[in-house]
Amino acid sequence: GAVVSQHPSRVICKSGTSVKIECRSLDFQATTMFWYRQFPKQSLMLMATSNEGSKATYEQGVEKDKFLINHASLTLSTLTVTSAHPEDSSFYICSAIIRDKGRASYGYTFGSGTRLTVV
Amino acid sequence: LAKTTQPISMDSYEGQEVNITCSHNNIATNDYITWYQQFPSQGPRFIIQGYKTKVTNEVASLFIPADRKSSTLSLPRVSLSDTAVYYCLVGEDSSASKIIFGSGTRLSIRP
Repeated sequence: GAVVSQHPSRVICKSGTSVKIECRSLDFQATTMFWYRQFPKQSLMLMATSNEGSKATYEQGVEKDKFLINHASLTLSTLTVTSAHPEDSSFYICSAIIRDKGRASYGYTFGSGTRLTVV
Repeated sequence: LAKTTQPISMDSYEGQEVNITCSHNNIATNDYITWYQQFPSQGPRFIIQGYKTKVTNEVASLFIPADRKSSTLSLPRVSLSDTAVYYCLVGEDSSASKIIFGSGTRLSIRP
């Protein structure tokens, strides 16, 4: 089935530095990807929608200058957390839309997530 | 997207059947119902999807009454490895739109 590969799975960075998270669609083209953030024992919170070749659409309250999203190709979307601070420590998950074989419908496949710890 | 309501948590024992119900009173005509499973420190995984009546796959069954205002995910003979958070989502299957997660149900299976 359609697989989204997300890297790194874990990253620890110093406060004030930037971290890049990659999300690749391995065997399909992902024109649209979504980025979520999840705090411990909470649900996934949508941060932004990433569209190939255009600017990302951010959800209300998400700082676009802090969470830079690039979707330069049909198989790669990246999320860069700039000037990270301890409050940015969280679990970040990407998701891509896939078209189910055999019917004209959409489904969603998720990356394995990135655990970011800012110290 | 239709808002969903699920129990925050449930407990059960190995070998039992577990039923998790989700309410979606404002479901639209074109909306499908999809359930995802999430283990700690992993991304959600698709379990099952349906529109009406009953759907069954190798993992679970999904029961949807005629009014479609609720749905029940049924996990037969659960094991410890079924301990996870289960999310019910409702949305239009024919559109490539974003999905918003509700609170989910934290299922704990005991020996």
